[in-house]
Amino acid sequence: SQKIEQNSEALNIQEGKTATLTCNYTNYSPAYLQWYRQDPGRGPVFLLLIRENEKEKRKERLKVTFDTTLKQSLFHITASQPADSATYLCALEAGGFKTIFGAGTRLFVKA
Amino acid sequence: DVKVTQSSRYLVKRTGEKVFLECVQDMDHENMFWYRQDPGLGLRLIYFSYDVKMKEKGDIPEGYSVSREKKERFSLILESASTNQTSMYLCASSLGTSGDNEQFFGPGTRLTVL
Repeated sequence: SQKIEQNSEALNIQEGKTATLTCNYTNYSPAYLQWYRQDPGRGPVFLLLIRENEKEKRKERLKVTFDTTLKQSLFHITASQPADSATYLCALEAGGFKTIFGAGTRLFVKA
Repeated sequence: DVKVTQSSRYLVKRTGEKVFLECVQDMDHENMFWYRQDPGLGLRLIYFSYDVKMKEKGDIPEGYSVSREKKERFSLILESASTNQTSMYLCASSLGTSGDNEQFFGPGTRLTVL
């Protein structure tokens, strides 16, 4: 069956460091992958989309990589700030209009 | 900015009640979705709609139905609420006929079924 894995353990890092979150998937060949941010008690907010023919995408302090051979995406936040503390969700295209979401990884950035 | 609104932030219902969750988007999006989110399970797709009066089952449609009579409104119906339907319900919308458009989410409805 199709499966997406994100590290269920929270990631704790110091302000100013780079946070790296991992998304692994099996039994998929997605044409694209998305990352969302979710704050407690709120709906997810879209951050970035990367397509299967793109190795890397950047937006301000965010960088996403997409390795279709390893079936993995890495999400980096450089120069992290306490305001970056949130849960980050990985989402994969699953055919048609369907998107499959991972359970998310919670990030805590300490000042 | 796209705005997706949901009728209630918090809702408490009793087992067996019929429950209506309403979602409205204001940006003329074709696609609308209903998810539930439970700890450790992520977002799971219940139903989606890619046009007025069109609907498709998601991964967990049992115990739910939907209605899309107007383009901007997508309703989720729990025919007979049960305690295992206690969850956070999230509505989303996206533009266009391809599946790679970002989804815009509402604030969610936290439903408790007693």
